[in-house]
Amino acid sequence: AQSVTQLDSHVSVSEGTPVLLRCNYSSSYSPSLFWYVQHPNKGLQLLLKYTSAATLVKGINGFEAEFKKSETSFHLTKPSAHMSDAAEYFCVVSDWGGNTPLVFGKGTRLSVIA
Amino acid sequence: GAVVSQHPSWVICKSGTSVKIECRSLDFQATTMFWYRQFPKQSLMLMATSNEGSKATYEQGVEKDKFLINHASLTLSTLTVTSAHPEDSSFYICSAKLASGNTIYFGEGSWLTVV
Repeated sequence: AQSVTQLDSHVSVSEGTPVLLRCNYSSSYSPSLFWYVQHPNKGLQLLLKYTSAATLVKGINGFEAEFKKSETSFHLTKPSAHMSDAAEYFCVVSDWGGNTPLVFGKGTRLSVIA
Repeated sequence: GAVVSQHPSWVICKSGTSVKIECRSLDFQATTMFWYRQFPKQSLMLMATSNEGSKATYEQGVEKDKFLINHASLTLSTLTVTSAHPEDSSFYICSAKLASGNTIYFGEGSWLTVV
């Protein structure tokens, strides 16, 4: 069975400083991993995805994540936070290639302080 | 990129009535669509998996007679909340999976308020 653990429910950073949102997963098969962002009262937007190609994945808005199989981690990073990055971020896992639904982490709320 | 349209974005209905939410894949065919529910400040809860032309598969604890899901075509799935009650008020989000590949795209969500 798959599961996702987002290690921090809330992360607060100053504008211009690095962002690190942590995610650990477990999966019985080769997983696909995703990060989605949700701004207040909005739907979900795909930031990036890992599907067994390059382990360092670059996404939109300057975000990237590195798949580390030995650590079962898929942490999301950004070198310099912007005010518009304040949102809820979800780490998500899915079995590769199947019609299995996504399994969501509980989310990490990112606050950016001016 | 692929677009999933959800309608309506906001809906208010009276207790005891039914309301239908549509989820459309605008520029691709989606053999599988998923319906999620999100309570305030919480993660998404999968309600059901909808495959085109067949009955939806509901998650444990989700009443299939209350949350009717129809996936009649490769581009449209509907969720009907029947005999709605205030506790059904929530944010409902659909997602659609491309027939090829493993990426899933989400609709913008629908806010349902039952008064």
